[in-house]
Amino acid sequence: AQTVTQSQPEMSVQEAETVTLSCTYDTSENNYYLFWYKQPPSRQMILVIRQEAYKQQNATENRFSVNFQKAAKSFSLKISDSQLGDTAMYFCAFYASGTYKYIFGTGTRLKVLA
Amino acid sequence: GAVVSQHPSRVICKSGTSVKIECRSLDFQATTMFWYRQFPKKSLMLMATSNEGSKATYEQGVEKDKFLINHASLTLSTLTVTSAHPEDSSFYICSADGGGRINEQYFGPGTRLTVT
Repeated sequence: AQTVTQSQPEMSVQEAETVTLSCTYDTSENNYYLFWYKQPPSRQMILVIRQEAYKQQNATENRFSVNFQKAAKSFSLKISDSQLGDTAMYFCAFYASGTYKYIFGTGTRLKVLA
Repeated sequence: GAVVSQHPSRVICKSGTSVKIECRSLDFQATTMFWYRQFPKKSLMLMATSNEGSKATYEQGVEKDKFLINHASLTLSTLTVTSAHPEDSSFYICSADGGGRINEQYFGPGTRLTVT
């Protein structure tokens, strides 16, 4: 069975600084996808970034980038130049094509400090 | 594009009554929709997966007779909480697959259910 682990329940970062959120997963699948979702106080889930497991290059979306280490089953999210609007709950998620379901981590609550 | 709506956003019902939550894909056809439950400050727990025109697949531990899911069209799935109890109070979120990039789901804004 697939599992997703986020070991940091809460984190804080000063505005304009950089922060890294950790995520590890366990799977025997070869074809899968990894995602980071943001859930602000409005509770609307927003896709931040996605990574296809078959791609070696780390995904990047503006200030957001990932460090995907397939052998170590690690998928961390780096937020550069943190902004107050980045304050939210961040969930790491895993999707395996064979299972057709998404597995979410327990989340990391990020607070950006002014 | 790829917008998913949920209705209602908040609902309060009395214990023993039933309540229906709608999930709609507004600008795309969703072959599959997912229903999640989220407890305060917790992660999303997948309740069931529904495919248009077929019975929903429920996760282990989720009572299918209590949480009725209907996916009658490619743009609408409904979750009915039957004979609601206070412990059913929670935040329910739906998501839809099929609107854009492969293996990417689009989330609705959620429904806060309070059972008194």
